[in-house]
Order: sequence, then structure tokens, then C-alpha cells
Amino acid sequence: SQELEQSPQSLIVQEGKNLTINCTSSKTLYGLYWYKQKYGEGLIFLMMLQKGGEEKSHEKITAKLDEKKQQSSLHITASQPSHAGIYLCGADKPEGDAGGTSYGKLTFGQGTILTVHP
Amino acid sequence: DAGVIQSPRHEVTEMGQEVTLRCKPISGHNSLFWYRQTMMRGLELLIYFNNNVPIDDSGMPEDRFSAKMPNASFSTLKIQPSEPRDSAVYFCASSLARRKGGYQPQHFGDGTRLSIL
Repeated sequence: SQELEQSPQSLIVQEGKNLTINCTSSKTLYGLYWYKQKYGEGLIFLMMLQKGGEEKSHEKITAKLDEKKQQSSLHITASQPSHAGIYLCGADKPEGDAGGTSYGKLTFGQGTILTVHP
Repeated sequence: DAGVIQSPRHEVTEMGQEVTLRCKPISGHNSLFWYRQTMMRGLELLIYFNNNVPIDDSGMPEDRFSAKMPNASFSTLKIQPSEPRDSAVYFCASSLARRKGGYQPQHFGDGTRLSIL
């Protein structure tokens, strides 16, 4: 089965600093999703990556998928206290033949806890 | 548009009682997922449905757990009898699953925080 490993497990930074969270897969990633979770709340979808070398940005958060499609990184520029929370990567796995029906099942990493000190 | 709606938000009950968690997925989504989250084990997939049909329930911990999806707009997760080790946050998520790829993200509800005393 596919496994996702996130690093670091936790991260404490000073406001204004840049940071990077990594997500590594044991198998080829067909679809890679980044989510953010605040304490006591559900997971909020941030971005999805599919193609090798793909990069997407939303405000100060940039996500990349490497060419081999086995590693993704999430980079936050000039962090703010509002960025604090748990970041999880999730990977899609097509059921049956490649390109066949995808039921949308995701395998998640263990999460990275981000603390941003003002 | 309304997101995934879960109820109740919090549930505290005594060991041995039946617990029923409810979920209303996003209209038009055809896949529904039930997860459990704890500090020790992280986010665990319990069961998921596609077009109201259970696809994989291998994550359901024991026979005490059961889930149903009687129609496209409603699902329940039931625990009977409940035990203290069932205490966790339970999330429901939905997505639009397409044939031939076309990956779509899952959208999560705010969860039900369950405490079994």
C-alpha cells in the first residue's frame, strides 16, 4: 500500500520567517493534495498537484511536485500566526486499471504541526 | 454553497451506550468517507461509499462499528456498544469521483468530537 511520510513532524518559527514542509511517497503520486487543519476544526483543502514539476501558489503558500512524482513540498513565505495549524498531505490512488475509476480515496501523511510565534 | 454538515458537533456519553453520528455530503458529490482522528493514530479512514454503496470497510475497527448511506444526501456512523477507546474526533468527507482520472479533492466537515466516559 502507498505510504506518505511528512517532515518535519513539528515546526516552530518566528513570524516573518520562511518554512518548508515535505511529503515523500513510497510510490508514484497520481494526485497529491495539501490540507490545513486548525485545532477543533475540519481539514481545509489548499491545493492539488498532478503533473511532475507542477507548482501552484495561493497567497503566500506554494506547493510543488517533483518530476518523478514521489515528493512534494509546501513552502510558506513570510509566515504569519494565521498560518499556524496542522498541514497534511494526501495522495490519490486509482482503483483498478490506470486511468480507471477513481473513488477519491486518499492516503494521508501523519501531519506537520506548525507554530508561528508573533 | 453549503459544505459537508456533520452532527452533533460534540457528544459525551457513557460506556455501553449507542452513538450515532450523522453526515450530509455536498450536493452532487458521489463519494463519502468516514474518518477517525486521534493524537496517537492520526487520521484513519474507516469506510467509504461511492454512489451510496460501501466500497471498502476494512478500516472499521470492530463489529461494534457500522455505517449506512440510505441515499445520496445522508450517511450515519453507528457505534454500539460504545467504549472509552472510541473517544476521538470523527470526520465525514465527500468528493466527486470521476471515471478515467480527473482527480477531485475531498471536502471535510467540521467533525464530531466524541467522548465516551
